[in-house]
Amino acid sequence: EDKVVQSPLSLVVHEGDTVTLNCSYEVTNFRSLLWYKQEKKAPTFLFMLTSSGIEKKSGRLSSILDKKELFSILNITATQTGDSAVYLCAVLSSNTGKLIFGQGTTLQVKP
Amino acid sequence: SQTIHQWPATLVQPVGSPLSLECTVEGTSNPNLYWYRQAAGRGLQLLFYSVGIGQISSEVPQNLSASRPQDRQFILSSKKLLLSDSGFYLCAWSLPGWGTGELFFGEGSRLTVL
Repeated sequence: EDKVVQSPLSLVVHEGDTVTLNCSYEVTNFRSLLWYKQEKKAPTFLFMLTSSGIEKKSGRLSSILDKKELFSILNITATQTGDSAVYLCAVLSSNTGKLIFGQGTTLQVKP
Repeated sequence: SQTIHQWPATLVQPVGSPLSLECTVEGTSNPNLYWYRQAAGRGLQLLFYSVGIGQISSEVPQNLSASRPQDRQFILSSKKLLLSDSGFYLCAWSLPGWGTGELFFGEGSRLTVL
């Protein structure tokens, strides 16, 4: 059965800290891995990764994929209170055409 | 540009009452449409998806049903709600075909069944 597992499930840090969120997967016929940020309601898209070893970067956020070890990490440097959110990892299987989500990591950044 | 509308945003319903959540997409044709449910502190569970009018796939056995009466309209229904149906429901769309899998989400509907 296809699955996506995120760790940790929750995390509390202080402003300025650097955090690393993990996402591992077992999905038949991997096509892409996506990261979303969910603050209150609708998840918003952060990154899409399809190739190993190529870092995607947007401001203080970056992400990389390892297709050999079947995982991805999302890094946030110099965290701010506005980074507090649930971060969702999802994997698209070309077998099913469906996006499979992990449980999410709840990040709280304290001032 | 494409937009997605989902309503109602919040509702409180008694056990045994019916449910209807509606979602419409604008600015695109023949989108894939999805209903997800998110329990508190959990990830997103896919409930239904549709690749075209009248084509609905159900992911988990449950008390809910979905319909797609028009190309860009997706409806989630129940005849009799259960307590366990409480949760946050998200509608989403993606481009036709598999593409890269990027989903665009509505603002969600928070359902409380009492």
